[in-house]
Amino acid sequence: NAGVTQTPKFQVLKTGQSMTLQCAQDMNHNSMYWYRQDPGMGLRLIYYSASEGTTDKGEVPNGYNVSRLNKREFSLRLESAAPSQTSVYFCASSLLQTQETQYFGPGTRLLVL
Amino acid sequence: SQKIEQNSEALNIQEGKTATLTCNYTNYSPAYLQWYRQDPGRGPVFLLLIRENEKEKRKERLKVTFDTTLKQSLFHITASQPADSATYLCALDRTSGTYKYIFGTGTRLKVLA
Repeated sequence: NAGVTQTPKFQVLKTGQSMTLQCAQDMNHNSMYWYRQDPGMGLRLIYYSASEGTTDKGEVPNGYNVSRLNKREFSLRLESAAPSQTSVYFCASSLLQTQETQYFGPGTRLLVL
Repeated sequence: SQKIEQNSEALNIQEGKTATLTCNYTNYSPAYLQWYRQDPGRGPVFLLLIRENEKEKRKERLKVTFDTTLKQSLFHITASQPADSATYLCALDRTSGTYKYIFGTGTRLKVLA
């Protein structure tokens, strides 16, 4: 099992460009999450999907959109990148949303110039 | 507002000693608390979960305590080794609101040989 995979590993964007971060899990988990991690801020939840077909906002959703493509895949889209979105993005999954540990991907480092 | 605090300063200890990391929270009544380990350039990895009705949980050289009166969790690594050097994150179940988890900023531990 690969666990949670993310692509790309690293990306440089110019302000205003768009991109989609991809995430897939092979553990048959129902819930998936997107976080960003910034120095001194910890992990902050952007969006999550409690189950296939549902998505909800987390703590910092502005400037992002998500798609739960199927049970395995959950993508994060930046429509018009801003320097404030420079961060490390982590995808995670859990069997259920309630009382379950999360399994994290390796992260995507994004630099917006 | 709800807040989680972990010591933002790095903790340096000598190999073989016990490392103790602290997670304090305010304005929460979490049903459980989790501890994760994060190595540089990698995603967090789950270590232990402790529920509100459990005072203590152990796993090999790891021990977690949960004091709901003090609103504090302590994470102990006994007989620490240089391989234990990493950042350790605590995460709380929010019990209310639209999303479940909130993470602390983490404490960086360095075990000196």
